[in-house]
Amino acid sequence: SQQGEEDPQALSIQEGENATMNCSYKTSINNLQWYRQNSGRGLVHLILIRSNEREKHSGRLRVTLDTSKKSSSLLITASRAADTASYFCATPLRGSYIPTFGRGTSLIVHP
Amino acid sequence: EPEVTQTPSHQVTQMGQEVILRCVPISNHLYFYWYRQILGQKVEFLVSFYNNEISEKSEIFDDQFSVERPDGSNFTLKIRSTKLEDSAMYFCASGRLAESNTGELFFGEGSRLTVL
Repeated sequence: SQQGEEDPQALSIQEGENATMNCSYKTSINNLQWYRQNSGRGLVHLILIRSNEREKHSGRLRVTLDTSKKSSSLLITASRAADTASYFCATPLRGSYIPTFGRGTSLIVHP
Repeated sequence: EPEVTQTPSHQVTQMGQEVILRCVPISNHLYFYWYRQILGQKVEFLVSFYNNEISEKSEIFDDQFSVERPDGSNFTLKIRSTKLEDSAMYFCASGRLAESNTGELFFGEGSRLTVL
């Protein structure tokens, strides 16, 4: 399976701190995406990074991709209570473009 | 902003009953998907649909499941004879085939199915 697996499973931090989540995957990919899910809601796309990119920024989000290690990280800087959610990485299914998801990292940001 | 809408938000059914979950994808999108998430677990791919046919399906998507795009706007998931283990949140998603073929998906808020 090409599913990414996120680490840690759960992360609890104080508001203002940075949150780092990691994703590892098994086979070559052409892109990797990060999604966010608030409790009981749908997934929301955050950012996509292509295999020829090493780092990408979007607001307070920073994503890195290391294809040699088959891993990615999502950094949320200066976290806020509203960042409390589950975060998923998504890698394409069997070389196709269809995202498949790991178990996610549950992030709790305490005010 | 365009969004994917799903109905019903919650459905309770008896084991063995048929269930139809409905979705209205974003209007200019061409690729449609169903995923499911059992409570507290990962989001699992079920099926993708393009050009009025299934393009990919997972091992979960067995003969009990079917999808249809009956009228050019709705996209439905039918479960023919529900089982207890079908209880989950079902998410519809749609994607736009851009030249870069990014695979970015737009998700609905989900339909929670409870099988008793």
